[in-house]
Amino acid sequence: EAQVTQNPRYLITVTGKKLTVTCSQNMNHEYMSWYRQDPGLGLRQIYYSMNVEVTDKGDVPEGYKVSRKEKRNFPLILESPSPNQTSLYFCASSFSDRGIYEQYFGPGTRLTVT
Amino acid sequence: DAKTTQPPSMDCAEGRAANLPCNHSTISGNEYVYWYRQIHSQGPQYIIHGLKNNETNEMASLIITEDRKSSTLILPHATLRDTAVYYCIVRVGRSGGSNYKLTFGKGTLLTVNP
Repeated sequence: EAQVTQNPRYLITVTGKKLTVTCSQNMNHEYMSWYRQDPGLGLRQIYYSMNVEVTDKGDVPEGYKVSRKEKRNFPLILESPSPNQTSLYFCASSFSDRGIYEQYFGPGTRLTVT
Repeated sequence: DAKTTQPPSMDCAEGRAANLPCNHSTISGNEYVYWYRQIHSQGPQYIIHGLKNNETNEMASLIITEDRKSSTLILPHATLRDTAVYYCIVRVGRSGGSNYKLTFGKGTLLTVNP
C-alpha cells in the first residue's frame, strides 16, 4: 500500500530535550516536505527536499533541522525543543513533476513541549 | 495564487450528493483548480484537479464553469467518513520551487448527517 508513515504519532517532551520525528514513504517520490499546523494559522511549511541531499527552508524553519540521506526518509530534528514548537506536524511527498498535484500526507505527529 | 471563496460550512445527508462550490473569479489561463480535504486532525488528502474540462475520479467529480470563474466539487454519494474540511486551491500547474507548498484558505466544513 502506498503510504507516508510518521513516528511517533504522539510525543510529550520537555524543553531542550533533542528529538527526531521520522518520515518514510514507499512511493519512490523525489519531493518531501514537513509542515506544522496550528489553530488559526493553517498549514505552514518548515522544510522541503527536492531529492536526496537537496533540502531547502520553507516559511518557518527556525528551530528545526532536516536531512535527506535516502530517498524514502526525511526526518525532522528538533535540537532544543521549546513550548512554541508544540504543534501538529505533517510529512508529505510527491513526484517532482507534480507541483501540488497529488501530494501524499502522513497521519501526523502531535508534539507537546512542556 | 488566485483568490478563492468557499462557504464556511455545508450539511449533507448521508447517501446524497454533496456539491461544494468554489469561486475563483480572478483565475488566470494557466492556473488549475485543485481540491484537497482534511478529516479532523488527519493528514490532508488530495481529491482531484482540473484546468477547464470536467474531471472525474474514484473519489469525486469536478465541474468547472465555461468561464472558469467558479467550480463545484461533487461527492456523488456522501458517507459519514466524508465529513471534513474541503479546500479549493488555484495554482499554476508547473513544478518547481514554492509551487509544491500547499497553503490552505479557510475551506468548507462539510458535515454529512445520518
